[in-house]
Amino acid sequence: GQNIDQPTEMTATEGAIVQINCTYQTSGFNGLFWYQQHAGEAPTFLSYNVLDGLEEKGRFSSFLSRSKGYSYLLLKELQMKDSASYLCAGPSGTYKYIFGTGTRLKVLA
Amino acid sequence: EPEVTQTPSHQVTQMGQEVILRCVPISNHLYFYWYRQILGQKVEFLVSFYNNEISEKSEIFDDQFSVERPDGSNFTLKIRSTKLEDSAMYFCASMPSSGANVLTFGAGSRLTVL
Repeated sequence: GQNIDQPTEMTATEGAIVQINCTYQTSGFNGLFWYQQHAGEAPTFLSYNVLDGLEEKGRFSSFLSRSKGYSYLLLKELQMKDSASYLCAGPSGTYKYIFGTGTRLKVLA
Repeated sequence: EPEVTQTPSHQVTQMGQEVILRCVPISNHLYFYWYRQILGQKVEFLVSFYNNEISEKSEIFDDQFSVERPDGSNFTLKIRSTKLEDSAMYFCASMPSSGANVLTFGAGSRLTVL
């Protein structure tokens, strides 16, 4: 089966660190992606992991363990503008990607 | 920065009418996609397109749906006879044939079926 699971909602405080987890069962692994989506807008690319380990990009980092089918997105020094949905996306077959339900993050002042 | 453009941004139509949503993918990308997102729900795969033919399609993509690349730049999604449940945001996306295989999305076309 092809399945991607994420928590539905998370809340964190401005300036804090938050970790959003994603577990997946998909076929034909070709990378694991994280996208950000603000309400009413298109998903925008945040990060991509094809090998195990941590990829760091400024305030955002993403981790992948292929053997465990597990990834997380780490957001540091949270800002109000980080309030959005964070979508985990994985491969399902060749060059086809499916999305998890997304995690709605609320950043509180 | 190159982008995927979609038109119209919003379309309102009556149930049973045909709708065509248009997309211009990034010029050197070879893989094209349509996804949809019903309000408050997840982004769902509809169809992928490569080398002028459908690569894969989901269960949602039934006989009422079709895609076409009528020329070297446009990629269209047609819904033949719209239903109320077709109301959603439709996102076009494209991806290069090599490199990081990152999907780049357009801003979306919001379809409202009355």
